Amino acid sequence: GNSVTQMEGPVTLSEEAFLTINCTYTATGYPSLFWYVQYPGEGLQLLLKATKADDKGSNKGFEATYRKETTSFHLEKGSVQVSDSAVYFCALSDRNNNAGNMLTFGGGTRLMVKP
Amino acid sequence: KAGVTQTPRYLIKTRGQQVTLSCSPISGHRSVSWYQQTPGQGLQFLFEYFSETQRNKGNFPGRFSGRQFSNSRSEMNVSTLELGDSALYLCASSLDQGAYEQYFGPGTRLTVT
Repeated sequence: GNSVTQMEGPVTLSEEAFLTINCTYTATGYPSLFWYVQYPGEGLQLLLKATKADDKGSNKGFEATYRKETTSFHLEKGSVQVSDSAVYFCALSDRNNNAGNMLTFGGGTRLMVKP
Repeated sequence: KAGVTQTPRYLIKTRGQQVTLSCSPISGHRSVSWYQQTPGQGLQFLFEYFSETQRNKGNFPGRFSGRQFSNSRSEMNVSTLELGDSALYLCASSLDQGAYEQYFGPGTRLTVT
């Protein structure tokens, strides 16, 4: 079956530091990959996505590249802000699964950015 | 365009009762999925509806059920509530399957006492 593994948190950084959150996946098909962010008391917000190998998703300074050879989709940001403090989820959707939508999520990584 | 809305936002129920949660997708979206989020199990897929038909189902007991109406609005029902059903229930809508993004609502926080 499909699975997503991401680094455990919390990750604590100082403002303007470089961020990497590792994500690796196992999929039977050819998945699309996503990063979602969850702020306290809220639902999930789509941060970025990639649908095929070597695609780079980017949004709000965050980037992630779909690496099929290493089955990875690591999230990076060059300079974090206090407002980036949240929980980040890596997820996949198996496009070969003709039964429909189902997102498989990693366990989430809490990011704390200190001023 | 309005986002995904869920009602109610908070709910407190007693063990053994049943509960119905509602989700209105983004206008034009025909797929609605439900997820359960708990500290111990993380985010788990419950089921998905597309054009009023259940298209996919996760590994949850039959106490969890859902339906979708012709306007794409969806409800999920949990019968005979257990303490372990306390969770944040998230609804997500999408145009279709696979590569399409899913957009999440704010969730319904269910507490079972």
